[in-house]
Amino acid sequence: GAGVSQSPSNKVTEKGKDVELRCDPISGHTALYWYRQRLGQGLEFLIYFQGNSAPDKSGLPSDRFSAERTGESVSTLTIQRTQQEDSAVYLCASSLVLGTDTQYFGPGTRLTVL
Amino acid sequence: KQEVTQIPAALSVPEGENLVLNCSFTDSAIYNLQWFRQDPGKGLTSLLLIQSSQREQTSGRLNASLDKSSGRSTLYIAASQPGDSATYLCAVRLNTGTASKLTFGTGTRLQVTL
Repeated sequence: GAGVSQSPSNKVTEKGKDVELRCDPISGHTALYWYRQRLGQGLEFLIYFQGNSAPDKSGLPSDRFSAERTGESVSTLTIQRTQQEDSAVYLCASSLVLGTDTQYFGPGTRLTVL
Repeated sequence: KQEVTQIPAALSVPEGENLVLNCSFTDSAIYNLQWFRQDPGKGLTSLLLIQSSQREQTSGRLNASLDKSSGRSTLYIAASQPGDSATYLCAVRLNTGTASKLTFGTGTRLQVTL
């Protein structure tokens, strides 16, 4: 079956521009997660959704970051006024249920801010 | 704050060898622990998920153990193959309100040579 997909696979943008990253989870998965991996660093948790709700946004690095999910399906991560330190691979994952279940990851979006 | 450490950071072994990757975490109140592999340019692939009540999980040539009280997990790879070359990540999920947040280690980069 189809796994988690993300688009675009690569995004190069200029400092100060806004970007939107998209995640399509596995069909039927109620939970969705966003992570960030900066070069040479470990994965950093950003936010998770249970259905369309995000109970904990404390992992978002700044108020320039926002995320939404609609129809208990697609999610978009938006970064406003991008900075060079936002350059990273942004990974999305989904799981059937929140909590104990295995998280399945997408291939990621590599964001480069010039 | 949960911290996850993986040792060694990098490992190179000849094909056929058995090997052990180590993961340690500072907060033993975990919900579960998951091992992933990450291939260059690709997302994470889940290998094994161990619930906090379990001691080990096996899948093919892989065996993961969990000692929650000492804050340690090991991933044993038997009869290593060049295709096992990847970065291996362990991640723990805390047994708290944000039970869906995964905290990742920085990974062990494995190279299996012919």
